[in-house]
Amino acid sequence: KQEVTQIPAALSVPEGENLVLNCSFTDSAIYNLQWFRQDPGKGLTSLLLIQSSQREQTSGRLNASLDKSSGRSTLYIAASQPGDSATYLCAVILMYALNFGKGTSLLVTP
Amino acid sequence: EPEVTQTPSHQVTQMGQEVILRCVPISNHLYFYWYRQILGQKVEFLVSFYNNEISEKSEIFDDQFSVERPDGSNFTLKIRSTKLEDSAMYFCASSGLAGVEQYFGPGTRLTVT
Repeated sequence: KQEVTQIPAALSVPEGENLVLNCSFTDSAIYNLQWFRQDPGKGLTSLLLIQSSQREQTSGRLNASLDKSSGRSTLYIAASQPGDSATYLCAVILMYALNFGKGTSLLVTP
Repeated sequence: EPEVTQTPSHQVTQMGQEVILRCVPISNHLYFYWYRQILGQKVEFLVSFYNNEISEKSEIFDDQFSVERPDGSNFTLKIRSTKLEDSAMYFCASSGLAGVEQYFGPGTRLTVT
């Protein structure tokens, strides 16, 4: 059974810092991996999709990497801002279902 | 920008009642999904739907649950006889193809009393 783990569970950083969020999964037979942002009481906003054939994907200040063989993905956020404060979720796509981690709760302080 | 919409945003129901949660997926998408998130827990997959059939379902999606695409735009989740443990945020999602980026709606918060 696929298990998705996100470390750390919570993170607090001062504004302007670069940071890395980690995601690991137990079964490397995934189609793709998707990173989301969730604000309190809100829906999920898709940030990046990394296809299984890709190693990296970038969108603005976000960069996500994928190493299927080791079962790891990282989300790099450059020059963090208070508006980046949210929970970040990673999810692996097998065929249809997204299998989520519990998320990393990020607080960026001014 | 196209988006997934869900109604209602919040539904309160009594235990044993039937509820129908509604979703309008992105118009040119072919695959539709329901997920739920119990407060404080991770998002869990319930069911995927393609070509008017369930393509995959989880262990959570038992006989109390059903899905339907009653017309060309709506996608619904029905819970026949709600239980207290069905209280959760229910998210609808859609994608153009299987295995690609899924887009989520804002969710319906279901409270069963």
